[in-house]
Amino acid sequence: DAGVIQSPRHEVTEMGQEVTLRCKPISGHDYLFWYRQTMMRGLELLIYFNNNVPIDDSGMPEDRFSAKMPNASFSTLKIQPSEPRDSAVYFCASSFGVSETQYFGPGTRLLVL
Amino acid sequence: QKEVEQDPGPLSVPEGAIVSLNCTYSNSAFQYFMWYRQYSRKGPELLMYTYSSGNKEDGRFTAQVDKSSKYISLFIRDSQPSDSATYLCAMSKGGGGADGLTFGKGTHLIIQP
Repeated sequence: DAGVIQSPRHEVTEMGQEVTLRCKPISGHDYLFWYRQTMMRGLELLIYFNNNVPIDDSGMPEDRFSAKMPNASFSTLKIQPSEPRDSAVYFCASSFGVSETQYFGPGTRLLVL
Repeated sequence: QKEVEQDPGPLSVPEGAIVSLNCTYSNSAFQYFMWYRQYSRKGPELLMYTYSSGNKEDGRFTAQVDKSSKYISLFIRDSQPSDSATYLCAMSKGGGGADGLTFGKGTHLIIQP
């Protein structure tokens, strides 16, 4: 298995633009998580899905952030409009069942100018 | 007070030394405790997992949980330069996949050859 796949790996955009991050979880995993990592705040859970259904989005910073999971093999995290303070590394992770083992993707490094 | 506190380091030790990494937490509902290792520009990967209090050993790594003190530790014996990475503690109330993870900010570890 290729592991969790994220794209793009790097994204540089200007303030106000829409940004879409993509994630393909490991095949067969039924939980998908989106995290954000910054030096100041560390790794923070934004939202997670179970069987494509959002379960907890209490970590989503504000309405500018939205996430979807249209099927078991694809999820997106969208920021519209983007702001410089959104600059961070965004990780997607997946797991099978109620499991302590979450497998992380390589992350997307986002820089908003 | 943050839910999980972890000294960011950097912690620099000579090769072969015993390394002790620690986290404290405030939420007594946490039941599952994990250590993740993150190499530079990579996603975190699960290193150790323990449930409730006690010790768990895996090769050169030992994880220790003291729920009465709300304190967890990771010991690395015979440290190697390849152990140089950021170590993040993580914890959850339910099974890790059920409610996401709360992470410490990570300790940057440097093993000097």
